[in-house]
Amino acid sequence: GAGVSQTPSNKVTEKGKYVELRCDPISGHTALYWYRQSLGQGPEFLIYFQGTGAADDSGLPNDRFFAVRPEGSVSTLKIQRTERGDSAVYLCASSPGPGRSYEQYFGPGTRLTVT
Amino acid sequence: EDQVTQSPEALRLQEGESSSLNCSYTVSGLRGLFWYRQDPGKGPEFLFTLYSAGEEKEKERLKATLTKKESFLHITAPKPEDSATYLCAVQAVITGGGNKLTFGTGTQLKVEL
Repeated sequence: GAGVSQTPSNKVTEKGKYVELRCDPISGHTALYWYRQSLGQGPEFLIYFQGTGAADDSGLPNDRFFAVRPEGSVSTLKIQRTERGDSAVYLCASSPGPGRSYEQYFGPGTRLTVT
Repeated sequence: EDQVTQSPEALRLQEGESSSLNCSYTVSGLRGLFWYRQDPGKGPEFLFTLYSAGEEKEKERLKATLTKKESFLHITAPKPEDSATYLCAVQAVITGGGNKLTFGTGTQLKVEL
């Protein structure tokens, strides 16, 4: 079956620009997560959605970062006024949801480069 | 704060040379410990979940074990295709249902012919 998909696979943007990263979770998974991974590091949690609502956004580094999941499926991570320090691989994961399974399945990631 | 430490940072093995990767953790209350494999340029691939001390799980040449303070990923008779970064992560039991994973920095495994 289809796994988690993310678009674009690569994004190069100039400092100060706005970017949107998209995530399509596994069909039927109610939980969706965003992580950020810098070179040589493990993924770092950003935000968790259960259904349409953000159940935990404690990992968002500042108010330039925002994410939505309006219909409980596809999610978009939005970054305003990008900075060079935002350069990283942004990973999306989905999970069946509480009471079913806690295993998270990751997409291939979007590599963001801010010049 | 939940913490995960993996060792060694890098490991080079000859084909067939068995070894173990270590994952030490501190967490307020463990819901699960997860092992992932990550190939260059790809997202982490789920391998195992362990829920309680004493639990073991196996998949091909890999076996994961769990104690109250650490987990081991044993690799038996590895092959070059086992070369990858292996990531360990913990998920804490949090009131309100938080489900984030806290990852270690990974062990980069290279298996040579």
